[in-house]
Order: sequence, then structure tokens, then C-alpha cells
Amino acid sequence: SAVISQKPSRDICQRGTSLTIQCQVDSQVTMMFWYRQQPGQSLTLIATANQGSEATYESGFVIDKFPISRPNLTFSTLTVSNMSPEDSSIYLCSVVQNGDYEQYFGPGTRLTVT
Amino acid sequence: DAKTTQPPSMDCAEGRAANLPCNHSTISGNEYVYWYRQIHSQGPQYIIHGLKNNETNEMASLIITEDRKSSTLILPHATLRDTAVYYCIVRVASGSARQLTFGSGTQLTVLP
Repeated sequence: SAVISQKPSRDICQRGTSLTIQCQVDSQVTMMFWYRQQPGQSLTLIATANQGSEATYESGFVIDKFPISRPNLTFSTLTVSNMSPEDSSIYLCSVVQNGDYEQYFGPGTRLTVT
Repeated sequence: DAKTTQPPSMDCAEGRAANLPCNHSTISGNEYVYWYRQIHSQGPQYIIHGLKNNETNEMASLIITEDRKSSTLILPHATLRDTAVYYCIVRVASGSARQLTFGSGTQLTVLP
């Protein structure tokens, strides 16, 4: 199984600033995803991070607000830009390994915007 | 991916079997049934998945009806640590559309 780490684990940020969240996997994976979980809600897919090309965003999410990078098969970043209190959520990185049915999740980054 | 319907909450006594139902009446022939759980403040954890046969692993059993329109996750001997939100998800197992789409899930509370 893939072991996923995220940095930071939590942060408190001011309105209007940006935060970059890192996701590191201990092995090469074929697919990487970013999810958001707002307080008391289920998980919502933000985008699929594509290695070497632009991420694929779900409806309601745009690159200017959530730029994503994936420079290789084990690492990705998600930036939450120009933050507002509505961005306060847990952000989770998730991966699928080649030939695997399981999707693994990182521990999440708890973001609070004041 | 097909949509699922789960009860919002359930209670279970510690040591008893927890049976969590899920309806997925619009499931397609190439879609699998997956179960994940999310313990408070942690990332979701894979439990089990199946296509049409019943499945069992060290964590749970999955019973899928013959018409595949519903399933039940069984935790045979629930413990307090099984208190979590349980998500039933259907999705294709391969191809580009492999990301999981989460519904609202069932909050299972195991009572001492």
C-alpha cells in the first residue's frame, strides 16, 4: 500500500494570502487527486493532478484559485490562492497505484482562514 | 458513476455485528462497489470492494444482492474503534474515471 504524507498538517492563514500544500508518496503512482472536505461535509474532488501537464479540474474549481503541480510520479502540490474564510477545510491528497483497485488517502491538511 | 443511498446514522452495541446497508439501483455492469470509512480527523481508509460476488477480508464482509442494486457491509464484531463515517461508493475499476466520488455516508456509532 502507498504511504502518503502531507505538509503542513494544519495551518491558520489570513484572508487574502495563499497556502501551498505538499503531497509526497513513498512509491510511484499512476494517478493523484486532491479533495476538499468542508466542516461537517463529505469529500469533494477538486482535481486530478496530471504528471507533466495541467491538472483536470472538476466543476466549480478553477486553476486560478487552486493551482496544482505534479512534477513527477511521487509528488504534487495544491495551492489555495487568495484565501477567504469559506476556504477553511481539510484538503486531502489521494493516489491510485498502477494495477491497484484501492485508492489511498493522505492524512489531510486542516486549513483555517481568519 | 452511479449514485448511492445510505442511512445517515446507525448505532451498534460493542461486540455485536454492524450491518450497514447501501442502495445503488443505477449501478452499471462494469461498476464495482467500494466501501471506505473515515475515522474522525483522518483520511478515508479502504475497507473492501466487490463486483457481484460476496467478499470477505480481515476487516469486513461485503454482501451484494444478486441484482446488484444494493449491498451490505458487515463488521462482524464491532469495537469502539469502528466508530466512523462509512462511505459506499460505486465506480468503474479502470480507465480514466477512476477517482472516488463520495456521498454523505453513514455515521456508525459503536456503543459500549
